[in-house]
Amino acid sequence: DAEITQSPRHKITETGRQVTLACHQTWNHNNMFWYRQDLGHGLRLIHYSYGVHDTNKGEVSDGYSVSRSNTEDLPLTLESAASSQTSVYFCASSEGGTTSSYEQYFGPGTRLTVT
Amino acid sequence: QKEVEQDPGPLSVPEGAIVSLNCTYSNSAFQYFMWYRQYSRKGPELLMYTYSSGNKEDGRFTAQVDKSSKYISLFIRDSQPSDSATYLCAMSAGTTDSWGKLQFGAGTQVVVTP
Repeated sequence: DAEITQSPRHKITETGRQVTLACHQTWNHNNMFWYRQDLGHGLRLIHYSYGVHDTNKGEVSDGYSVSRSNTEDLPLTLESAASSQTSVYFCASSEGGTTSSYEQYFGPGTRLTVT
Repeated sequence: QKEVEQDPGPLSVPEGAIVSLNCTYSNSAFQYFMWYRQYSRKGPELLMYTYSSGNKEDGRFTAQVDKSSKYISLFIRDSQPSDSATYLCAMSAGTTDSWGKLQFGAGTQVVVTP
């Protein structure tokens, strides 16, 4: 069965360190998204991609970067982790080019703590 | 002011009751409307997807969209303890600069007690 996975599921890191969160999908979807979820804010879009070598900033992109070298993966990098980036991170994917673009499939999430 | 407003709850109902959830929004360009269900410590899963106005029914779930009032609703009939979760509304304008992107509400926590 097609799926979307994230790793690690839990991560504790120190302020200032670089951290990379992995996202891998086997749906062969063109669109991939990274969100963070915090109490009271719901899901907020960090970065997104419509295909290989395409990346775009979302509403809370400061301090984060992504790159898309193939269809299946969209790793999220925190350049210099800050305590404000303690959150639960979700990756999602959807088909491209049709109204199905709005049917996003989510991974299980990565719980990141920055100390 | 957030583009999408949703009461965080918690909303507690007895088993078998109707659960009524809603979201209001400010962007009149929104035309794609979704409801996601999220169990504790899991990723959201798509529950209902509606384009433009009207009603959509799927089993015990009914989604309604009233674009004139900028108001969407989700009803769960004959609620079960397994319906206990957080329900998030999401929507998009479908324009070139928002293609495939969703604006989420904060989510409403629902507790169905046996």
